[in-house]
Amino acid sequence: LAKTTQPISMDSYEGQEVNITCSHNNIATNDYITWYQQFPSQGPRFIIQGYKTKVTNEVASLFIPADRKSSTLSLPRVSLSDTAVYYCLVGPSYHGSSNTGKLIFGQGTTLQVKP
Amino acid sequence: NAGVTQTPKFRVLKTGQSMTLLCAQDMNHEYMYWYRQDPGMGLRLIHYSVGEGTTAKGEVPDGYNVSRLKKQNFLLGLESAAPSQTSVYFCASGGMTGLAGANEQFFGPGTRLTVL
Repeated sequence: LAKTTQPISMDSYEGQEVNITCSHNNIATNDYITWYQQFPSQGPRFIIQGYKTKVTNEVASLFIPADRKSSTLSLPRVSLSDTAVYYCLVGPSYHGSSNTGKLIFGQGTTLQVKP
Repeated sequence: NAGVTQTPKFRVLKTGQSMTLLCAQDMNHEYMYWYRQDPGMGLRLIHYSVGEGTTAKGEVPDGYNVSRLKKQNFLLGLESAAPSQTSVYFCASGGMTGLAGANEQFFGPGTRLTVL
């Protein structure tokens, strides 16, 4: 399973766009990049997943360059309620791989949004 | 749908005692997982299951056993609890439906376990 590296912490202010970058130099051909959000005393919550280029949903965007060795989670116009820990994970997402669904959560990035 | 539920929510054990944590999901997911999270740390995978009757070891399986006799339930057992097992335990489930496939996991509310 590919190892990921992301900043331990980030600060931002309400209304700003926040970009959290994750490096995954050993990503495999079949791996997808998945991001989770965790609030204190709660389990993580799925945010977004992508394989290459750009993916956007109602919560965030995910940018993946052509070499796929890194990815950037973009949160538009953050609010205080976006203060949380954000995890970047890589792994296969389909039947047939012994590592399917086996995600490794690192320490994540603690995002603190200030008023 | 209740999603993923965990029983109990809190528990205090003495060293050497045993207990079983129950996880139940009503989403008909194939995959189920047990994680532990220590203060200030990320989640670490203990054991997981890719289907009824199957289990596999994760990153930190020692001191734990699991069983998946029914598709909707995943049990985590501690045979002889140790203070090092004091942690918050999260159960999760996932399936192959949806765009995110097996990597979209749904988490329960957690069980806070203290071993004295």
